[in-house]
Amino acid sequence: DTAVSQTPKYLVTQMGNDKSIKCEQNLGHDTMYWYKQDSKKFLKIMFSYNNKELIINETVPNRFSPKSPDKAHLNLHINSLELGDSAVYFCASSQAPGRVYEQYFGPGTRLTVT
Amino acid sequence: GDSVTQMEGPVTLSEEAFLTINCTYTATGYPSLFWYVQYPGEGLQLLLKATKADDKGSNKGFEATYRKETTSFHLEKGSVQVSDSAVYFCALSDPGNGNEKLTFGTGTRLTIIP
Repeated sequence: DTAVSQTPKYLVTQMGNDKSIKCEQNLGHDTMYWYKQDSKKFLKIMFSYNNKELIINETVPNRFSPKSPDKAHLNLHINSLELGDSAVYFCASSQAPGRVYEQYFGPGTRLTVT
Repeated sequence: GDSVTQMEGPVTLSEEAFLTINCTYTATGYPSLFWYVQYPGEGLQLLLKATKADDKGSNKGFEATYRKETTSFHLEKGSVQVSDSAVYFCALSDPGNGNEKLTFGTGTRLTIIP
């Protein structure tokens, strides 16, 4: 059983399109995250939700809109895709927010914008 | 702001060699420190952590000691195996930044040659 799953695994699309990435966790966790990993493997947090409420919103273009329909799901919608959005996007979850709780990562979604 | 600096990769070693991957940090508060590992095609997994000065985290033969005086958390393993080939990320979580988010280093790619 996959703890944190993401779909799709690969996403190739053209500039200007709108796309969504879905994330689901079956760990019963309250907190979920989105991270972006660029081509140099640099990993940076984008958003975090706790019990469906946004708690972390880093400096991310407003073309990126996370949505949490319930505690087990955190989706990422991206409008008007740009070349610079090409990256691997990781979803993660933890039992609660805060450093004492281990984060469990999904396998990633590789987004390529052409 | 918080930051994590890791040694530049890639690192290539022969099997059974000794491994050190350097990590230093800056933080406004008293952070917890982590090492995450990313195997090819997978998401990140927590390898080990330390929450206070002089704590030693250990797992799977890897060790790292929280050194407050040198603001360091170097990863070591006495005898590496081919299966240790992966990208290793040092990270911190700082209560001084208000939300205890994880801040990652740039990652160090390790390749072990039989």
